[in-house]
Amino acid sequence: QVHLVQSGPEVKKPASSVKVSCQASGDTFNNYAINWVRQAPGQGLEWMGGIIPMSGTTNYAQKFQGRVTFSADESTTTAYMEVSSLRPEDTAVYFCARDFAGGSSPYYFDLWGQGTLITVSS
Amino acid sequence: EIVLTQSPGTLSLSPGERATLSCRASQTISSTYIAWYQQKSGQAPRVLIYGASRRATGIPDRFSGSGSGADFTLTISGLEPEDFAVYFCQQYGSSPRTFGQGTRVEVK
Repeated sequence: QVHLVQSGPEVKKPASSVKVSCQASGDTFNNYAINWVRQAPGQGLEWMGGIIPMSGTTNYAQKFQGRVTFSADESTTTAYMEVSSLRPEDTAVYFCARDFAGGSSPYYFDLWGQGTLITVSS
Repeated sequence: EIVLTQSPGTLSLSPGERATLSCRASQTISSTYIAWYQQKSGQAPRVLIYGASRRATGIPDRFSGSGSGADFTLTISGLEPEDFAVYFCQQYGSSPRTFGQGTRVEVK
């Protein structure tokens, strides 16, 4: 059975950076994209963008362009999201979520990681 | 950017009752690209419905989706205790992929 397993919670100072990992266990990255979605405390879901590990193609939501970087290592089936210049309002649970990228049509998010709480506080 | 507006914000119902959740888009979208997710407290979302009306693997048939154009609906035909949660709609046909703000289904 396939799982997306994320790295653990972190507490960061404002202006610092954080890198969250998302490992696909029990499967490869072939034909999948890994998306990143964040959820501030008590709030809704916000799509940040994603990466197709096989090609390295990335797609960033405009709000996060320039401050967020997606990467992936196919050999370890691990995707990464790095957020720089952290602010207190970046405090949220960050989820990775998989969608199928091997066809011609967009796909829904069929598998989610457990989430990683990032707290930004001085 | 396509904005999705869900209503109501909170739905207070008893087990066994029917729940009807609405998702309205700021522009017409293809029903092929509408999904509904359920999120329980402290957990990741899980997909219930995709393509507006197709149930995901393992989802009970009391969950159904419908709609077209800019108006979509998730119906839970008879609420089970495990169905009390927050539900989000999502459009995944265009970038940025956007979510509604959620509807909380709570026990009356």
